[in-house]
Order: sequence, then structure tokens, then C-alpha cells
Amino acid sequence: GDSVTQMEGPVTLSEEAFLTINCTYTATGYPSLFWYVQYPGEGLQLLLKATKADDKGSNKGFEATYRKETTSFHLEKGSVQVSDSAVYFCALSEWGGSNYKLTFGKGTLLTVNP
Amino acid sequence: DGGITQSPKYLFRKEGQNVTLSCEQNLNHDAMYWYRQDPGQGLRLIYYSQIVNDFQKGDIAEGYSVSREKKESFPLTVTSAQKNPTAFYLCATGEGAREQFFGPGTRLTVL
Repeated sequence: GDSVTQMEGPVTLSEEAFLTINCTYTATGYPSLFWYVQYPGEGLQLLLKATKADDKGSNKGFEATYRKETTSFHLEKGSVQVSDSAVYFCALSEWGGSNYKLTFGKGTLLTVNP
Repeated sequence: DGGITQSPKYLFRKEGQNVTLSCEQNLNHDAMYWYRQDPGQGLRLIYYSQIVNDFQKGDIAEGYSVSREKKESFPLTVTSAQKNPTAFYLCATGEGAREQFFGPGTRLTVL
């Protein structure tokens, strides 16, 4: 079945550091890929998405490129801020025969220190 | 103001009790989902519904039940058969497009 593997945390960075959170996936077809962010005590918010190979999703300074050849969708940001501290989830969506099924990684906790 | 609301934000259950978590949406989405989140486990699908009066089991449906009598509402009941119900519960909606939109969540604690 489909699966998503993302780097284990926690990740701790200083403000203005470069961020990379690795994500790789296994899927039978051509999934859409997503990064969601969860702030403490809240639900998930869609951060960015890509629906086909070589697409780059971007939002709020975060970027991720859909790499079919390496089955990866790594999240990057050039200069993190304290407000970026949150849990980040990589996810894929694929048609499951009767619905679109969203499969999540286990999440990566990011802490940014001033 | 469009969105997804979940209530209550915090819920406490005694052993042997059934409790119902509310999820309401005004996004006019057909599909609705319930997920359970445990620390370090990511999200796991409990139930989903594509249309009114129809719903399907997800990966961890045992000990849970749902109904979908209205398009806007998809309540989840955590029954006494669920042996380890303490978790964060998230409701989501989707409409054709592959992404899902999440509510703020309900934290359930068993006393």
C-alpha cells in the first residue's frame, strides 16, 4: 500500500537557519503530494502541494519539488523564523477506488530558537 | 465565515461511557473524514463519508460509529468498546480536489 516516510525529529534550528525536512513516498499510481503544518493545539493547515512530477509547491517561503525519479518531496525554507515552530506532515493523496485516500507521514517537530 | 467547526475543544470521558464529537462544515463539501492523532503516530483514518446517508470504515474503525444525516454534519461517537480512546480527534472535508481541509480538533481524555 501507499506509505510516506519523513525524517524523524525533533529538529532544532536557530532563527534564519536553512531548513530541510526530507520526505519520500511509496505509491502505486501518480499521487498528489502535500505538506501540512500543525501549530500546538490546533488542526492541520495545508502549507503547499504539488500534483504532478517536477511541480514545485511554494507558500510563505517554504518550497517542495515533486521528484518522481527519487519518489521524494523534501520541504525547504531558506531562513526560518521563530513563528515557524510547529509539526510538519508530509502526505500523499491517491484514488483508492471509491475516494481519495490521504496517507500521512508521522510528522516532524520543528523548533526555532531566537 | 466559511470553515469547519469541532466541539467541544476538550472532552473528558469516564470508563464505560459513550461520547459524541461534533463536526460541522459550511464549505459545501461532499466528503467528510474523521482522523485520530496520537503522539508520534501521525494521523489514522477512522471513518469517511462521500455523500449523505453513506459512510465507510477507515483503518481503525473498531469502537467508533458515525452518522451522516446532513451534508453539513458528521458526528463521531466513541463507544465504550474503544479501549484506548484518549487522543486528539480531527475532522476534515474534501471536494473533488485531492487535498483535505481540517477542523481545529477535539482532545478526548479518559478519566
